[in-house]
Amino acid sequence: KQEVTQIPAALSVPEGENLVLNCSFTDSAIYNLQWFRQDPGKGLTSLLLIQSSQREQTSGRLNASLDKSSGRSTLYIAASQPGDSATYLCAVSQGGSEKLVFGKGTKLTVNP
Amino acid sequence: NAGVMQNPRHLVRRRGQEARLRCSPMKGHSHVYWYRQLPEEGLKFMVYLQKENIIDESGMPKERFSAEFPKEGPSILRIQQVVRGDSAAYFCASSRPLSEQYFGPGTRLTVT
Repeated sequence: KQEVTQIPAALSVPEGENLVLNCSFTDSAIYNLQWFRQDPGKGLTSLLLIQSSQREQTSGRLNASLDKSSGRSTLYIAASQPGDSATYLCAVSQGGSEKLVFGKGTKLTVNP
Repeated sequence: NAGVMQNPRHLVRRRGQEARLRCSPMKGHSHVYWYRQLPEEGLKFMVYLQKENIIDESGMPKERFSAEFPKEGPSILRIQQVVRGDSAAYFCASSRPLSEQYFGPGTRLTVT
């Protein structure tokens, strides 16, 4: 059974800092991995999708990497801003099934 | 191009009543997924549907819960005889085959 873990559960940083969020999964037979952002009381916004054959994806100040063999992904946020404050969720889909298995998220606070 | 739409956004039901949650996928998306987010817990997969077919319902409670995605109209998640433990945020997502999932804003169900 696939399990996804995100560390740390919460992170508080000053504005401008570069930071890394971690995601690990127990079964490396994934089809893809997605990073999402969730604001309080809101839905999920897709940030980056990495296919299992890819090593990384970039969008603006965000860079996500995937090491399938070790069951790890990282989300790197450069030059953090207060508007980046949100909960970041990692989710994987298995080959043969399109459902997503989510971690519990990392709650990020960027202080002005 | 409108995103995934869910209604209602908030729903209050008394114990024993029925709850009906609706989801309209993004244009061109044939796959619909339902997830549930309980307070202080991560998102959990419930069911995956394509038009007129349930593909994977491994996350659905065996009783009181049902889902459909008819040929015409939105996908419906139906909860019969609601109990307090059903209080949660219910999210719908849609996608093209084997592609990125896009989430709706969610329906927050409160059972009193």
